[in-house]
Amino acid sequence: GEDVEQSLFLSVREGDSSVINCTYTDSSSTYLYWYKQEPGAGLQLLTYIFSNMDMKQDQRLTVLLNKKDKHLSLRIADTQTGDSAIYFCAETYGQNFVFGPGTRLSVLP
Amino acid sequence: EAQVTQNPRYLITVTGKKLTVTCSQNMNHEYMSWYRQDPGLGLRQIYYSMNVEVTDKGDVPEGYKVSRKEKRNFPLILESPSPNQTSLYFCASSLGVGNEQFFGPGTRLTVL
Repeated sequence: GEDVEQSLFLSVREGDSSVINCTYTDSSSTYLYWYKQEPGAGLQLLTYIFSNMDMKQDQRLTVLLNKKDKHLSLRIADTQTGDSAIYFCAETYGQNFVFGPGTRLSVLP
Repeated sequence: EAQVTQNPRYLITVTGKKLTVTCSQNMNHEYMSWYRQDPGLGLRQIYYSMNVEVTDKGDVPEGYKVSRKEKRNFPLILESPSPNQTSLYFCASSLGVGNEQFFGPGTRLTVL
């Protein structure tokens, strides 16, 4: 099956930028997604990028897509304590939805 | 309010006792899916359904069954639960496979 890979942990100081990286394997994915899971809750769509785009910016969030290297990143500017959560990268593979293992972001005061 | 609901939210059961986790969505979505979430493994897709009476296996279907008799409901059935099915389960729905998925609140299942 398809593999979506992410590092499992990231710690940053409040106010710094966070960069969460993801590699995927299906170059035919139309959309690539970032989901956020807060403690004890389900997943919520944070942002997504269409595969023919290189970059998408949405307020504090910037998504970069490098299709050649199959690399996706999520940058959170001015990271706040409320950004502490698990962030999942996901792609569609045929009719399946494939998630990475999730990156746990800890924001230190 | 547009939402995906799951019941029960928490369940402790014993090996071999059949159980069903219900999932319902009120958004008229065609695509529905079940996932299990385990530490370090992220979400793994168990089964999905493209529409009524159309279901297919995901990455980890063994030990699970589903049905899609109506568009809004997509129950997950464990005929004979085993301890390795202890996990956090999420149901999700979307307009189609490439669209944003809306997740239910999760069901934490413990099989003793």
